[in-house]
Amino acid sequence: AQSVTQPDIHITVSEGASLELRCNYSYGATPYLFWYVQSPGQGLQLLLKYFSGDTLVQGIKGFEAEFKRSQSSFNLRKPSVHWSDAAEYFCAVGSSLSGGSYIPTFGRGTSLIVHP
Amino acid sequence: DAGVTQSPTHLIKTRGQQVTLRCSPKSGHDTVSWYQQALGQGPQFIFQYYEEEERQRGNFPDRFSGHQFPNYSSELNVNALLLGDSALYLCASSLIRASKNIQYFGAGTRLSVL
Repeated sequence: AQSVTQPDIHITVSEGASLELRCNYSYGATPYLFWYVQSPGQGLQLLLKYFSGDTLVQGIKGFEAEFKRSQSSFNLRKPSVHWSDAAEYFCAVGSSLSGGSYIPTFGRGTSLIVHP
Repeated sequence: DAGVTQSPTHLIKTRGQQVTLRCSPKSGHDTVSWYQQALGQGPQFIFQYYEEEERQRGNFPDRFSGHQFPNYSSELNVNALLLGDSALYLCASSLIRASKNIQYFGAGTRLSVL
């Protein structure tokens, strides 16, 4: 069965500092990988996705993530954090269904706190 | 272009009652998935509907049921509510024909069971 581990429950950074959120997955085949962000009282917004090809993926809001098959990781990075980035971040791995659809399995999330 | 909309935004029920949550998919989407997000946890997949049929189901009891209408909107029904059903319920829509279709999420319905 597929699974996702986000080892950090909370991460605190200063505004302007760099950020890396960790994600490790378990999946037998080539995974579909995602990062979502959830602001308080909001649904999930897709930041970026990896299906195949280039292992460095660019997303919205200046985020990027790197797929490392040998480490079963898909860490999210941002070079300079803004106060508005404070939110809950979820990593997910998708299992494919027939017809190209998929069902994502989510990690428990990492809460990002940004200090001024 | 309206995104995924869910109603109501908040709901309070008592144990044993039944509840119905509603979801309208993003324009042009034909597939709806439902998720339960308990406090401090990631979303857990309940089921997915396509062509008015349940296509895939997660590890949830039969108390959780759903429906999809011809206009692609969907309902989630939960019977015999338990305290543990208190959670944020998220709906996501997608287009099944799209290559590597992406799920777009609504803001959710917050259900409190007292």
